[in-house]
Amino acid sequence: GAVVSQHPSWVICKSGTSVKIECRSLDFQATTMFWYRQFPKQSLMLMATSNEGSKATYEQGVEKDKFLINHASLTLSTLTVTSAHPEDSSFYICYAGELGKNIQYFGAGTRLSVL
Amino acid sequence: DAKTTQPTSMDCAEGRAANLPCNHSTISGNEYVYWYRQIHSQGPQYIIHGLKNNETNEMASLIITEDRKSSTLILPHATLRDTAVYYCIVRGSSNTGKLIFGQGTTLQVKP
Repeated sequence: GAVVSQHPSWVICKSGTSVKIECRSLDFQATTMFWYRQFPKQSLMLMATSNEGSKATYEQGVEKDKFLINHASLTLSTLTVTSAHPEDSSFYICYAGELGKNIQYFGAGTRLSVL
Repeated sequence: DAKTTQPTSMDCAEGRAANLPCNHSTISGNEYVYWYRQIHSQGPQYIIHGLKNNETNEMASLIITEDRKSSTLILPHATLRDTAVYYCIVRGSSNTGKLIFGQGTTLQVKP
């Protein structure tokens, strides 16, 4: 079945550096992908909608200049956390819907720890 | 998208059926009911979805009331590996639509 691959699964970085997270649809095309963030013991919060070939749509309160999203192809979306700080430490998850089917697939998530 | 209400937590004995309720009283006619679960530190896993008819797959059954204002996810024979947070989400039919997560129900399956 369709799979969404997310990489890396775990990353530690120093404060002030940037981190890129990739989300790939492995055997289907996704014109739209979604990025979520999840803090410990909380639910998933939608950050942004990534649209292939156009600008991402960000949810209220999410800084678009801090969380850069690029969706350059039908199978890849990237989220870059720029100038990361400890408060950005979280679990980041992407998901994509397969065209023509009413099911969405989540990546395994990326745990970001900023020191 | 319609909001959903779920109990915060539930317990279930291993081998017994787990029945997880969800209220979605403001659901509109073209909105589906989706269920996902999230095992600790993993991405959410799709379980099942339905519009108005009851649905069954290899993982679970979904019972939707006739007025569609509530539904129940049934795990027929719960195992310890079913311990997870279960999310009930109501969403339109477009598969490019976003999923808005509530707090979900933490199901603890006990031996």
